[in-house]
Formats: sequence, C-alpha cells, structure tokens
Amino acid sequence: SQTIHQWPATLVQPVGSPLSLECTVEGTSNPNLYWYRQAAGRGLQLLFYSVGIGQISSEVPQNLSASRPQDRQFILSSKKLLLSDSGFYLCAGQGPGTEAFFGQGTRLTVV
Amino acid sequence: GENVEQHPSTLSVQEGDSAVIKCTYSDSASNYFPWYKQELGKRPQLIIDIRSNVGEKKDQRIAVTLNKTAKHFSLHITETQPEDSAVYFCAAGLPYGQNFVFGPGTRLSVLP
Repeated sequence: SQTIHQWPATLVQPVGSPLSLECTVEGTSNPNLYWYRQAAGRGLQLLFYSVGIGQISSEVPQNLSASRPQDRQFILSSKKLLLSDSGFYLCAGQGPGTEAFFGQGTRLTVV
Repeated sequence: GENVEQHPSTLSVQEGDSAVIKCTYSDSASNYFPWYKQELGKRPQLIIDIRSNVGEKKDQRIAVTLNKTAKHFSLHITETQPEDSAVYFCAAGLPYGQNFVFGPGTRLSVLP
C-alpha cells in the first residue's frame, strides 16, 4: 500500500531561522508529489507540486521553496521563516491512477 | 486550470439526520472526484471517490453523486453520528495529473 512518511510532526522555530521539512513515499513509483499548507480552521492551500525528479511548480509566491532530489523524496525549505509561515504543512502523493494520500502533517509554529 | 467550489462552509445537523455537501468544478476534462475527511489535527483521509463514468456510488452510510453535464457532485451522509463530525474536502481532477484541486472544505458538526 502507498504511504507517506513526513517529519517532524511538530516544530517550533524562531523568526528568521531556516526550515527543512521532508517527506518520503513508499509503495508507488513516479508519483506526483504536493506540499499543502493549512492555516487553523482553513482549507488546503497548494504550495508546490512535482511531477518528477527536479520538476517543481510553485502555486503561491512566497519565501518557501521545494526540491525533489529523488523520485520518492520531496523537501520543503525556507532560508528565513516569517511569523506568517506558521501552519499545518501536509505532504501528499498521487501514484498512477490512484487517489492522493497524505502524510501525517507537520505543525509549524514560528515564534 | 481547475476551480472547485464547495458549499456550505459549515453545517450542523442533529444526530441521525442526513448531511449533504455540494461541490462544483470548472474543467470539463476532470474525471475523478474524491472526498476526504479530516479530523481535528489529523491528515485528510479518503472516504469515497467517483469517476466520471459513474453517476452514483455508495458505501454504507456514505454516497456520492455526480452530474457531469452540470459539473457538480455531492456527498451524502445518512444517519449521521457524532464521529462524523470533521472537515470534509471535495476535489476534482485527473486521477494522475497536476491539476488535482481541492475545495475549501466544509466543517460538519453532528449534534447529539
């Protein structure tokens, strides 16, 4: 079965510090991969998606970036966090002909 | 690209009553329509999905209907229970495409 491992589950970071969130996929090859952000009580905001290694599309201009160094690895980064970057970050994957499945999420608090 | 709208944004029902959530989409090429349930602090999880060659699909107390001509689809939950309380997201897109788009979500509260 398809699973996504996402870590860490919670993170508290000071303003201006760097960020690196990672997710890895098991059970499928060549998946589409997504990073979403969810503010408290709000919907899923698509940040980045990737259809293959090194291929990243950005949906929302911001101080975040994403990379896909391997087929099943997707990384969300920032050089300098802002207070507004706080939220619940979800990594999702979608294998050929399948539904999207989500990682457990990372709750990021920028202080 | 695809645009998905979802209504209502919040819904309260009495335990045992039915709940209906409706979504509309804009891209006629979309052919896959899943529904996700997200409990507080947890990841969204797929509860049911439908593809464009099917008009209705049921799974116990949950059903989804699709009207491809009108570009809308709905989630129906019958005999609601307190554990049905959650945020529900619809989505539309190709089953393997980068234009997989979620609706804004519906917060369902089932009152005892």
